Amino acid sequence: KQEVTQIPAALSVPEGENLVLNCSFTDSAIYNLQWFRQDPGKGLTSLLLIQSSQREQTSGRLNASLDKSSGRSTLYIAASQPGDSATYLCAVNSGGYNKLIFGAGTRLAVHP
Amino acid sequence: GAGVSQTPSNKVTEKGKYVELRCDPISGHTALYWYRQSLGQGPEFLIYFQGTGAADDSGLPNDRFFAVRPEGSVSTLKIQRTERGDSAVYLCASSLRGGSTDTQYFGPGTRLTVL
Repeated sequence: KQEVTQIPAALSVPEGENLVLNCSFTDSAIYNLQWFRQDPGKGLTSLLLIQSSQREQTSGRLNASLDKSSGRSTLYIAASQPGDSATYLCAVNSGGYNKLIFGAGTRLAVHP
Repeated sequence: GAGVSQTPSNKVTEKGKYVELRCDPISGHTALYWYRQSLGQGPEFLIYFQGTGAADDSGLPNDRFFAVRPEGSVSTLKIQRTERGDSAVYLCASSLRGGSTDTQYFGPGTRLTVL
């Protein structure tokens, strides 16, 4: 059974710092891995989707890497801003039709 | 264009009552998913529709939970004899075809509270 773990559970940093969020999964047979952002009281917004054949994806200040063999992914956020404060969720697709298995998330607070 | 919408945004009910939660996916999306998110946890898969049919309902916790999508667009999640443990945010998502390259678009969720 696929399990997804995210570390740390919470993170508080000053504005401008570069930071790394970690995600690990137990079964390396995945189709893709996705990172989402969730703001309080709102749904999820897709940030990056990495196919199993890819090593990384970039969007603006965000870079996500995937090491399928070791069951790990990292989300790198450059030059963090207060507007980045949210919960970041990692999810893996093991079923082919995008049935996602989520981690519990990392709650990020960026203070001015 | 409009995103995924869910109604109601909040639902408070008493233990033992029946509730229906509605999801309007993005127009033209054939794949629709329901997830449940408890406080402090990530969303948990409930059911996946491809068109009108439930292709995978393995995440439904028990037979009190049922979902339909009769015309391949709007979906309704139905919960009978609600229990306090059913309290959670119920999220709906849709994607174009359900393929592994598709992005899932999530609605804002329905917060269900069972008293």
